[in-house]
Amino acid sequence: RKEVEQDPGPFNVPEGATVAFNCTYSNSASQSFFWYRQDCRKEPKLLMSVYSSGNEDGRFTAQLNRASQYISLLIRDSKLSDSATYLCVVTATGIQKLVFGTGTRLLVSP
Amino acid sequence: GAGVSQTPSNKVTEKGKYVELRCDPISGHTALYWYRQSLGQGPEFLIYFQGTGAADDSGLPNDRFFAVRPEGSVSTLKIQRTERGDSAVYLCASSRNAGSPSGANVLTFGAGSRLTVL
Repeated sequence: RKEVEQDPGPFNVPEGATVAFNCTYSNSASQSFFWYRQDCRKEPKLLMSVYSSGNEDGRFTAQLNRASQYISLLIRDSKLSDSATYLCVVTATGIQKLVFGTGTRLLVSP
Repeated sequence: GAGVSQTPSNKVTEKGKYVELRCDPISGHTALYWYRQSLGQGPEFLIYFQGTGAADDSGLPNDRFFAVRPEGSVSTLKIQRTERGDSAVYLCASSRNAGSPSGANVLTFGAGSRLTVL
């Protein structure tokens, strides 16, 4: 079983739609969680950290469920520019390497 | 520099050849990471440096892969006797420190070096 699992998609949604991605992780010792965004043939860039209480940044909301070991990302009012691959990232306390999921591809159409 | 710089951006080589990929991290970032990304996959951890030392090299696939960071800044990833399966984008990232007690690290990635082994 992979340490971090994501549905690869693609998720095809129209502009203005709300879309949600989930990610599950296997290491119960995981303490830090992130969503990174990766555009085609570009490097990953931090989208947002995920906090235990949940957090929101504009149209983006991230949630963490420790009991079920999953993380979610909600995008409201999708824009064409949101089309990208969204990578779920997990790391454990005292371990410096970040473990990436395979990514979920989002395509927003006019 | 302002960002993480990687060279070359593209490298095409023949099976069996030796390859070096270079990473120049953000000035002042003590932690440096190498990841490998194959098509349709997420980045796969290779090695992490804290300063000059390799703090975790558990992701290096075999002894053909080696990385150094002699002065705690620029790092070189070295691949001997390249194989077609080594073809991938090699990503370097740096972060300001070894991470907070909670283990949180925010990485800034370079644009990557795309390696193609024929």
